Amino acid sequence: DAKTTQPTSMDCAEGRAANLPCNHSTISGNEYVYWYRQIHSQGPQYIIHGLKNNETNEMASLIITEDRKSSTLILPHATLRDTAVYYCIVRAPDSNYQLIWGAGTKLIIKP
Amino acid sequence: NAGVTQTPKFQVLKTGQSMTLQCAQDMNHEYMSWYRQDPGMGLRLIHYSVGAGITDQGEVPNGYNVSRSTTEDFPLRLLSAAPSQTSVYFCASSYQREPYEQYFGPGTRLTVT
Repeated sequence: DAKTTQPTSMDCAEGRAANLPCNHSTISGNEYVYWYRQIHSQGPQYIIHGLKNNETNEMASLIITEDRKSSTLILPHATLRDTAVYYCIVRAPDSNYQLIWGAGTKLIIKP
Repeated sequence: NAGVTQTPKFQVLKTGQSMTLQCAQDMNHEYMSWYRQDPGMGLRLIHYSVGAGITDQGEVPNGYNVSRSTTEDFPLRLLSAAPSQTSVYFCASSYQREPYEQYFGPGTRLTVT
């Protein structure tokens, strides 16, 4: 089954770039990788998604390896408000509508 | 725009009771979904809808019903509450018919005793 593997937790200094890795070695060729985050117990917030090429928006950059087996979410200048659980997500096999959410990475930004 | 709204914020039920969790969005989104989140875990899809009158089951549908009579509303019904349904419930919507960029509500914390 397509699924993702992420570190349980990470620290990053405020103002530095936060690099969050994700392994998705079983992803199929036409599947997107999605990233969301969840601050405290709020509803998750969409960050970015990508297929093959690197993607960038106002929140983050997504770097996907050429073999598509892993990706890295980059927050270029982390702030204390970026402390959250970050989820790397793929779709369930044979489903256009079901996303598989793991436990995510708890990112703590330190002053 | 209010975005995605959910009511109630908190609810305590006794085993066997039924109730409806409300979800509404004012963004004219086609796709809506319900998730549950247990402590320390990611979200699991309960039911989803790709438009008014169309619903389907997700990963964990047992014990829950949904309907989608309008684009705006997507209520989740618990038929006969069980302690295993104690969880935080999130509703989400997306402007596309697939869950690329979902907007989430603030959640409903449900406790079943």
